[in-house]
Amino acid sequence: GESVGLHLPTLSVQEGDNSIINCAYSNSASDYFIWYKQESGKGPQFIIDIRSNMDKRQGQRVTVLLNKTVKHLSLQIAATQPGDSAVYFCAESPGGYQKVTFGIGTKLQVIP
Amino acid sequence: KAGVTQTPRYLIKTRGQQVTLSCSPISGHRSVSWYQQTPGQGLQFLFEYFSETQRNKGNFPGRFSGRQFSNSRSEMNVSTLELGDSALYLCASSLGTGPLNTEAFFGQGTRLTVV
Repeated sequence: GESVGLHLPTLSVQEGDNSIINCAYSNSASDYFIWYKQESGKGPQFIIDIRSNMDKRQGQRVTVLLNKTVKHLSLQIAATQPGDSAVYFCAESPGGYQKVTFGIGTKLQVIP
Repeated sequence: KAGVTQTPRYLIKTRGQQVTLSCSPISGHRSVSWYQQTPGQGLQFLFEYFSETQRNKGNFPGRFSGRQFSNSRSEMNVSTLELGDSALYLCASSLGTGPLNTEAFFGQGTRLTVV
């Protein structure tokens, strides 16, 4: 029969604008959080990570914000470019091991 | 530095068969994790190996198994294949040492189709 896929939230932004992708995580024991970018036909690519003892971390054009009180993570992309079009996953992990739980992903579409 | 290599890239198998997928981690990485990615379930953790030992396991049936060799290369095996096993199987490697998680690098995956 026909398979039912996850309905990925989609965010459409104009080229040059800033993008904000949000993620709610579930495990209060998680202490390591990662954002991945997955382009069509490729494996996920690490973007930026943050540990639970921080609430903000900046990379090149990207910033991750962590709010442990409400278990919320966000990824901000400055000056979004067409090459940023992809599915973005947040992931959480408890301390010590590599068991990582991924969110369902958000599809980012950049309008030229 | 070579990235994570997964072989084969594509595979077609028949229901009831078994399949073995291979993953070569980045040189120096000792942790290898496996994930299943499907449109219906997203990315789901299968298991993680470190120094030839399974250190963590997800919620998959016993038909899914894996192993890691002394050179950190890993294989995963799926026996008695079902149609629902059709998916992209991803491998990720990381240093894996120390009490804190470290950045994981993914391979391009093996696309398994069960017919």
